[in-house]
Amino acid sequence: GNSVTQMEGPVTLSEEAFLTINCTYTATGYPSLFWYVQYPGEGLQLLLKATKADDKGSNKGFEATYRKETTSFHLEKGSVQVSDSAVYFCALQNAGNMLTFGGGTRLMVKP
Amino acid sequence: NAGVTQTPKFRVLKTGQSMTLLCAQDMNHEYMYWYRQDPGMGLRLIHYSVGEGTTAKGEVPDGYNVSRLKKQNFLLGLESAAPSQTSVYFCASSYSGTPGQYFGPGTRLTVT
Repeated sequence: GNSVTQMEGPVTLSEEAFLTINCTYTATGYPSLFWYVQYPGEGLQLLLKATKADDKGSNKGFEATYRKETTSFHLEKGSVQVSDSAVYFCALQNAGNMLTFGGGTRLMVKP
Repeated sequence: NAGVTQTPKFRVLKTGQSMTLLCAQDMNHEYMYWYRQDPGMGLRLIHYSVGEGTTAKGEVPDGYNVSRLKKQNFLLGLESAAPSQTSVYFCASSYSGTPGQYFGPGTRLTVT
């Protein structure tokens, strides 16, 4: 079956630090990969996506590259801000539109 | 364009009570989904629908029922609430064959 594994949090960084949140997956076929972000008290918002191997998704300074050889989709940002504090979810989508989520990683950015 | 909306935002139930959560979307999406979110477990799919009048079970369907009488609405019912159903519930919708889902703001349910 499908599964997504994310690094456990919380991840605590100072403003302007470099961010990496690791995500690896197990799936049959060729899934699409996503990062969703959840700000406190809100629903999930799509942050970025990649639909095939070697694609790079990017948005708001975040980026992630679909690595089929390592089954990974790590999230990176070069300089985090306090406003990036949130929970980040890695997810995959296979045929049938169903999403499989990782457990989420809480990011806390301190001024 | 409101996207995906959920009603209510918060609810407290006693064990054994029933309730219905309403999800509405105005994007003409074919697919709709109900998830629950529990600490450290990400989101788990409860039920989903691929079109008006159709529903199917997801990963954790026990204790829940759903109905999709209109394309824009997807209802989640709890017939006899249990403390294990204390959670945050999210609705989502999507086009068929298009990657990604759009999420509502969530409903926080507490069962005492």
